[in-house]
Amino acid sequence: DAGVTQSPTHLIKTRGQHVTLRCSPISGHKSVSWYQQVLGQGPQFIFQYYEKEERGRGNFPDRFSARQFPNYSSELNVNALLLGDSALYLCASSFPPQETQYFGPGTRLLVL
Amino acid sequence: AQKVTQAQTEISVVEKEDVTLDCVYETRDTTYYLFWYKQPPSGELVFLIRRNSFDEQNEISGRYSWNFQKSTSSFNFTITASQVVDSAVYFCALSENQAGTALIFGKGTTLSVSS
Repeated sequence: DAGVTQSPTHLIKTRGQHVTLRCSPISGHKSVSWYQQVLGQGPQFIFQYYEKEERGRGNFPDRFSARQFPNYSSELNVNALLLGDSALYLCASSFPPQETQYFGPGTRLLVL
Repeated sequence: AQKVTQAQTEISVVEKEDVTLDCVYETRDTTYYLFWYKQPPSGELVFLIRRNSFDEQNEISGRYSWNFQKSTSSFNFTITASQVVDSAVYFCALSENQAGTALIFGKGTTLSVSS
């Protein structure tokens, strides 16, 4: 069975640009969560979506937004990129939100 | 507030040694879940185990074992007879029922196993 997939795998942007990251959950999973992992730190929760509705939001600025589509895939959008947004962005899926989250390989974003 | 502390930043062992990774958590909830994930150099977080707050039974899976003690708010992870393939960053995480299911991670412990 396919696991969580994310695209792209790597991305280089410059300050002020916009970026869209994509995630496809494990088949049958209806909840998607996004995390940001800065080098040397543990992942930090950004968003959780379940059945296309936002279920939770971490302590991130409004430049970060996300949505979930009818097929349960999800997009994370970041506007007005800052150097500090350089990180590994991880997507996780679970069946209902309360169940174990399984992670994808991540998207490595570098902001120059 | 909820918090997960992994005091050991880096641990280095030689193959076949046993190693224990410590995890201490803080939460006000009575219902919560604890997790361990492994992150190899590729970056993908690999799920290892989940325990809920009502189940303090220790668990063993092959060379891996976990010791959950509510009295000390700890959820420690032991690898017996370590192997080079165990080299990775290990994260302990907490999920509180009322806060939704956002995972709160510790800063991770980097385990290096040499041959």
